[in-house]
This record gives sequence, C-alpha cells and structure tokens, in this order.
Amino acid sequence: ETGVTQSPTHLIKTRGQQVTLRCSSQSGHNTVSWYQQALGQGPQFIFQYYREEENGRGNFPPRFSGLQFPNYSSELNVNALELDDSALYLCASSLVGLAGVYNEQFFGPGTRLTVL
Amino acid sequence: GNSVTQMEGPVTLSEEAFLTINCTYTATGYPSLFWYVQYPGEGLQLLLKATKADDKGSNKGFEATYRKETTSFHLEKGSVQVSDSAVYFCALAKAAGNKLTFGGGTRVLVKP
Repeated sequence: ETGVTQSPTHLIKTRGQQVTLRCSSQSGHNTVSWYQQALGQGPQFIFQYYREEENGRGNFPPRFSGLQFPNYSSELNVNALELDDSALYLCASSLVGLAGVYNEQFFGPGTRLTVL
Repeated sequence: GNSVTQMEGPVTLSEEAFLTINCTYTATGYPSLFWYVQYPGEGLQLLLKATKADDKGSNKGFEATYRKETTSFHLEKGSVQVSDSAVYFCALAKAAGNKLTFGGGTRVLVKP
C-alpha cells in the first residue's frame, strides 16, 4: 500500500511568484486536506477536498486555491507569494465512507517552500 | 472557535525518565482528540487518539486520557528512549478525518 506522497520536496520562489504543490493520496482514500506549518508552529488547516469539491476552508486568503482530480490526487496553488508563505505544506488523505463517517488522516512528508 | 494549548518546549529528559506533556483544549460539542508525532525530516504520524470522554488512547508506551471535566488530554510515557526525541502535537477534530486543529507543538529531547 502506497502512502501519501508530495512533490516537490523543497522549493524556492521569490515574492510575487506563483507555486503549485502536488499530493498523491494513499490508495483507496477519497479526501485530501492541506495544512501550512510555519517554522516552530503547529499545522494550520488550509482546506479540504472531497470527491473533487472543496469541503471546508480555514482562515486563508483566496490566493490559496486547490484542486482534486478524479484519481483523488490534489494540487495546492498559491498566487502572489508573500514572505510569510514560507512554510512546510502538508497534505493528508483519508477515506470518507458512504455514511459520511470520517477516518484517520494520513500525512505526507511535506513540501518545504521558501519565499525570498 | 476551537483551540488547543500545549506546554512549550523544549523538554529535555534523560533516558528512562517519565514524560508528561500537558494539553488543554477549547471546543464546542464533543471533539475527538489526538496526539501526533513528528520525527526530524518527516511528516506527522498519528500516535494515539480518543473519541469520547474517559477514553484512554495508547500506543508505543504512550498514553493519554480524554478528560472532559478539565478539557485536557495530557500525554504520558513511563520510560522514554532516545528514539522518542521528536516534536509532539496535540490536536482535536469533530471526527478523525475532519479539519484538525493543532497545538503549537512540544519538542522533546531525550539524552542517553
């Protein structure tokens, strides 16, 4: 069973640029959540996708957007990068059953984004 | 809104010492509670969880009990090893796969 994978591992961008981060869900999972973890802090929820639709969003501006594909992989896009966007971005996948029962989230290793 | 507060680190211990990391929460309703661990250079791993009051989660010698009356979920281990050196996060959610709200993390360093 393949776990959650993310790419790239590290990324360096300059202020004002745009970035796309990718996540492959664990096999059999249909829900993906994205979190931002600033250095020395706990992860902050960005948004969640379930069956290709956004299913909840945290306190992040619209320049943070996402997609989920039919194979349940996902992208996180950030436009107009700011210095404070420098962080570890974590993706987590889980399986939501037909009855809407949520199960454990499994995290990927993260993408380290540095904005200069 | 929901929030989680955990003791700040770093916590430095000798091998075989007793470890306690305090965690308290604020939430509406009856959330599920979790402890995650993050080893250097790795993503988050679920360490243990509890889904209702008085439940005790346990794994790898770690334990935590869901205390609704004190809104707490303190993590304990009786005898730590060097391999337990990591950052520990307390978190809550309405359900296991739903939005997780994390505390700030506690770094634990175990010395031989």
